[in-house]
Amino acid sequence: AQKVTQAQTEISVVEKEDVTLDCVYETRDTTYYLFWYKQPPSGELVFLIRRNSFDEQNEISGRYSWNFQKSTSSFNFTITASQVVDSAVYFCALGQAGTALIFGKGTTLSVSS
Amino acid sequence: NAGVTQTPKFQVLKTGQSMTLQCAQDMNHEYMSWYRQDPGMGLRLIHYSVGAGITDQGEVPNGYNVSRSTTEDFPLRLLSAAPSQTSVYFCASSAGGMNTEAFFGQGTRLTVV
Repeated sequence: AQKVTQAQTEISVVEKEDVTLDCVYETRDTTYYLFWYKQPPSGELVFLIRRNSFDEQNEISGRYSWNFQKSTSSFNFTITASQVVDSAVYFCALGQAGTALIFGKGTTLSVSS
Repeated sequence: NAGVTQTPKFQVLKTGQSMTLQCAQDMNHEYMSWYRQDPGMGLRLIHYSVGAGITDQGEVPNGYNVSRSTTEDFPLRLLSAAPSQTSVYFCASSAGGMNTEAFFGQGTRLTVV
């Protein structure tokens, strides 16, 4: 069965600190996709990134970077030089054929000034 | 560009009442799904549909019914509301299932008293 685990329930950092959000997934399929979503205090869900199971290249987008490692079934998300606006709940999700996305329980990130 | 539209945004029900949460998308997406979000539980899949006329159960389907008579609409029905169904409900749609990001509605905050 597929499963997504975000072991960190809450993380608190001070502005400009780097922070890594962990995501571990379980699946028997060889073809799958991994996602990260952000939910700011306003409540909407914002898509951040999609990665397929055949592409293990790390990706960087501004202050955001993602590290995908199939060997450890992990898809971790790093925010460099965090800012107050990064405060949100972050969800990791797994996509497989024939079903909807399966989400982890989320990590609440609080960035203080 | 409306995207995914959920109505209502807020609702209070009495135990035993029935209601339908509406979800409509204008992107011609095949996949649609319903999630509920509870504190500390992340987003849990209730029901999903991979196309008109096709629905399937997710992780927490009990107490909810769905139908998909058109590509655009995917209503979620509560036949006899219970306090345990107090939650925030999100509808999502995506073009191709596992390999495309899901677009979410703004959510419906439901309270059952």
